[in-house]
This record gives sequence, C-alpha cells and structure tokens, in this order.
Amino acid sequence: EAQVTQNPRYLITVTGKKLTVTCSQNMNHEYMSWYRQDPGLGLRQIYYSMNVEVTDKGDVPEGYKVSRKEKRNFPLILESPSPNQTSLYFCASSGTLMGNEQFFGPGTRLTVL
Amino acid sequence: DQQVKQNSPSLSVQEGRISILNCDYTNSMFDYFLWYKKYPAEGPTFLISISSIKDKNEDGRFTVFLNKSAKHLSLHIVPSQPGDSAVYFCAARVNNDMRFGAGTRLTVKP
Repeated sequence: EAQVTQNPRYLITVTGKKLTVTCSQNMNHEYMSWYRQDPGLGLRQIYYSMNVEVTDKGDVPEGYKVSRKEKRNFPLILESPSPNQTSLYFCASSGTLMGNEQFFGPGTRLTVL
Repeated sequence: DQQVKQNSPSLSVQEGRISILNCDYTNSMFDYFLWYKKYPAEGPTFLISISSIKDKNEDGRFTVFLNKSAKHLSLHIVPSQPGDSAVYFCAARVNNDMRFGAGTRLTVKP
C-alpha cells in the first residue's frame, strides 16, 4: 500500500530535550516536506527536500532541522524544543518537483511542556 | 503574512444541497491551486486542483472555479453528502512554495 508513515503519532516532551520525528514514504517520491498545523493558521511549510541531500527552508524553519540521506526518509529534528513548537506536524511527499498532489502522513501531535 | 485566506472557519449545509467553499489569495505569482480534505486524526488528502491558465475544473461532484482578476477560488460540492463533512484546505503554489489557508470545517447534515 502506497503511504507516508510518521512516528511517533503522539509525543509529550519537555523543553530542551532533543527529539526526532521520523517520516518514510514507499512511493519512490523525490519531493518531501514537513508542515505544522496550528489553529487559525492552517498548514505552514517548515522544510522541504527536492531529492537526496537537497533540502531547503520553507515558511517557518526556525528551531527545526531536517536531513535527507535516503530517498524514502525525511526526519524532522528539534534540537531544543520549546513550548511554541507544540503543534500538529505532517510529513508529505510527491513524485515530481513540487508535484501537484502531495501525499500526507497521518500526523504527529507534539506537546512541549 | 497569510497569502492564502479562507475567511469562513465553518460552513453547514443540508444533505443534497450545494456546498460552496471560498478562498482568496494575494500573490499573483501563484500558478497552481489545490483543495485538500482532512478528516480528524488523518492527514490531508488531495481533492482537486486547477492551473492558473484555467478557470474551471470538474471532477464528479467537485468543481473548482478560479477568478484570477479577483484572486479568488471556490470549491463547489454538488450534491453534498454527510461523508463530505471534513475540514477543507485551499492551497496555492509558486515554484517550491506551497501556501495553505486556515481551513473551513464543512458539516453536511442528513
């Protein structure tokens, strides 16, 4: 089954404790991206990657890091999480450069205390 | 700055009637527009899209209209069904930049 998976689905952590949210797709997609969803703000792009070893900042990259060492994986790293990073996070992938249709993962709800 | 705006946070319609969801944008460089649907506890799923060179695209019960001069697009669902109840996000793209609206929660009452 073609899908984008994220882990964990739910995470409660404390300020400053480094964490990684994994994202994996099995569709051989080149383009992957991370979004955060906040009430009243919709989805905002954090980082995106057009291919292996190619990443770039989106709309709200501050406080986040990403890496793309393999085509299928695109982890999101919070080196020192803060309460304002409490949000719902989505990973997405598409087949071509910023392909018209993105496939989204199920989301990761992160709470930073 | 919110370049894509959905000014109605919620919409309620009767089953069988038309649902019209609206979206406004400010960046005239956007060249592709999309609608996504999101159910609770799931990621958004693609619904329908339209290129900036067109003014209408239809797919079954779903039609998207684009008015470039007004920088406005709308999604029409006819007839609406209870299963259409979800949050609908409007999105616009230019190059690698994808911007989403805040979403409109549609409730279709039986």
